[in-house]
Amino acid sequence: DQQVKQNSPSLSVQEGRISILNCDYTNSMFDYFLWYKKYPAEGPTFLISISSIKDKNEDGRFTVFLNKSAKHLSLHIVPSQPGDSAVYFCAASHTGTASKLTFGTGTRLQVTL
Amino acid sequence: DTEVTQTPKHLVMGMTNKKSLKCEQHMGHRAMYWYKQKAKKPPELMFVYSYEKLSINESVPSRFSPECPNSSLLNLHLHALQPEDSALYLCASTSRADRSYNEQFFGPGTRLTVL
Repeated sequence: DQQVKQNSPSLSVQEGRISILNCDYTNSMFDYFLWYKKYPAEGPTFLISISSIKDKNEDGRFTVFLNKSAKHLSLHIVPSQPGDSAVYFCAASHTGTASKLTFGTGTRLQVTL
Repeated sequence: DTEVTQTPKHLVMGMTNKKSLKCEQHMGHRAMYWYKQKAKKPPELMFVYSYEKLSINESVPSRFSPECPNSSLLNLHLHALQPEDSALYLCASTSRADRSYNEQFFGPGTRLTVL
């Protein structure tokens, strides 16, 4: 049972344009959502997070939007840069099991020149 | 120091060997985690230590044995592994496991190959 899903395995965007990565979840108990970026042979790097009491959080070029009624979140990267090329995982947790992160399957972003 | 370090970076072992993976953080975090990641898959949680005590074991086979000697160190002892255990083993830490809204910080991982 995949509770966190990223339906697009890959995405290609031109440098300077907006990248939009999507994530859907099924567990309504999730109340904290995170995005991680991963380069090959490295550990995931934390990018940005959002709690369920907000619908938007922004940090520089990265903005995460949360739509609780649709159980959907998205990560916007503006403007996209070649160094953003990586695999992006969304992850979720809930207060009852604060230790556990449930990861999506990842989206490979390729930013082209 | 905002890093989680892991040693070794790469490890090749036979099915009869005994080896250990090491993880260290000096951020004062009191929760540490082991994850396993196979190619093209998300990280899968194996163990959680909270205040140096094992709080979650995700039904991991006994050939994997975790140990938390102190609040900065986490080990994963390996014995009699199978080739299907070959994966990237990731360590992570967070300030506390009993609170929400805490991001986990990951180390670079140990690439394990079992022959």
